[in-house]
Amino acid sequence: GQQVMQIPQYQHVQEGEDFTTYCNSSTTLSNIQWYKQRPGGHPVFLIQLVKSGEVKKQKRLTFQFGEAKKNSSLHITATQTTDVGTYFCAGESSGSRLTFGEGTQLTVNP
Amino acid sequence: EPEVTQTPSHQVTQMGQEVILRCVPISNHLYFYWYRQILGQKVEFLVSFYNNEISEKSEIFDDQFSVERPDGSNFTLKIRSTKLEDSAMYFCASSLTSQYNEQFFGPGTRLTVL
Repeated sequence: GQQVMQIPQYQHVQEGEDFTTYCNSSTTLSNIQWYKQRPGGHPVFLIQLVKSGEVKKQKRLTFQFGEAKKNSSLHITATQTTDVGTYFCAGESSGSRLTFGEGTQLTVNP
Repeated sequence: EPEVTQTPSHQVTQMGQEVILRCVPISNHLYFYWYRQILGQKVEFLVSFYNNEISEKSEIFDDQFSVERPDGSNFTLKIRSTKLEDSAMYFCASSLTSQYNEQFFGPGTRLTVL
C-alpha cells in the first residue's frame, strides 16, 4: 500500500532559526496536504498542493510539491515559539483517503 | 466558524466491551472520516463515508468496527469488542467534497481500554 515517509522525526531549533521538514511518497500523489498538530490538539489544515512543482507561501511558511508529485517540503523561516507542534504531510493518491507521514515534531527554544 | 465536534472527549472501557464514539460533522459537508492516532504516532486512516455508505476503508477497519449516520447530523464509530490495542485518540473529520479538499478534524476522543 501507499507509504508516506517524513523526516526528520524531531527538530529542535533556537528561535529565529529556519526549519524544514521533508515528505516522500512511495506512489505518485494527486495532491498533498500539510497539517499542524499542537501538543494535545488535533490536526489543523495548513495547505494543499496539487500541481507538479507547485510552490505556495503563507507568511513565513513555504510549501513545495515535487515535479514528480512524490515529494514535498515545508520550510519555516525565522521560527517563533508559536510554531511549536508536529507537522504532518498527508498524501492523497486516489479516493479520499489521506495517508499521513510520521510527522516532524518541532520544538523552538526562546 | 463551523467546526467538527466529538463526544465524549475521553472514554475508558474494559476490554471486550462495546464503545460508540460520536461526531457531529460540519453541517454542509458531504464526506466523513474516522482516523486514529496511537499516542506519539502518526494519524492513521480508518474509513471514509459518503452518501450513507462506506466509500473506502483501511486494513485496520476490520469486522469489529462499524460506522453509521443514524440521523442528519451524527456520525458514529462503533467498536464491538474492544482490545487493548484499540487504545488511541480517534479523530473524526469531514470535508465538503472528496478529493482535493481540506479535511476538518474534530478535537478527538481519547479511548482507553483496560
